[in-house]
Amino acid sequence: GDSVTQMEGPVTLSEEAFLTINCTYTATGYPSLFWYVQYPGEGLQLLLKATKADDKGSNKGFEATYRKETTSFHLEKGSVQVSDSAVYFCALSDNSGAGSYQLTFGKGTKLSVIP
Amino acid sequence: DAGITQSPRHKVTETGTPVTLRCHQTENHRYMYWYRQDPGHGLRLIHYSYGVKDTDKGEVSDGYSVSRSKTEDFLLTLESATSSQTSVYFCAVTGGTRTEAFFGQGTRLTVV
Repeated sequence: GDSVTQMEGPVTLSEEAFLTINCTYTATGYPSLFWYVQYPGEGLQLLLKATKADDKGSNKGFEATYRKETTSFHLEKGSVQVSDSAVYFCALSDNSGAGSYQLTFGKGTKLSVIP
Repeated sequence: DAGITQSPRHKVTETGTPVTLRCHQTENHRYMYWYRQDPGHGLRLIHYSYGVKDTDKGEVSDGYSVSRSKTEDFLLTLESATSSQTSVYFCAVTGGTRTEAFFGQGTRLTVV
């Protein structure tokens, strides 16, 4: 079945540091890939997405590129801020089957950014 | 927030009692989902619905049932709550041409 493996953390960075959170996936079809973010006490919000190979998703300074050859979708940001402290989830939606768009998630990476 | 409301937001219940969580959406999305979030597991799919009265099981469906009698409401029922069902439950919706899901604020359920 489908699966997502992401760097588990926790990750602690100083403000303005470079961020990478690794994510790799296994899927039988042609999945769409997502990064979701969860701030303390809140639900999940879509951060960015990519729906086909070589697509780059970007939002709020975060980027991730859909790499089919390495089955990866690593999240990057050039300069993190304290307000980026949250839990980040990598996820995939396998669109090749019944079209239910159900998501398979990684376990999440908690990011703490210190001033 | 895609017009998703979960109720209750917090609940404490005793082992063996039935519990129903409600998800209400206002934007007529076709697909609705229930996930549970547990430390070290991320989010796991419990059940989902692809239309009124059309539901299917997810990865962790044992001990849970669902119903969808109207497009806007998706109910999750724990017939006899157990301590292993202590978790945070999230409802999500998707549909149309967009593949991403939108999530509710979550329900924190504690079974004592």
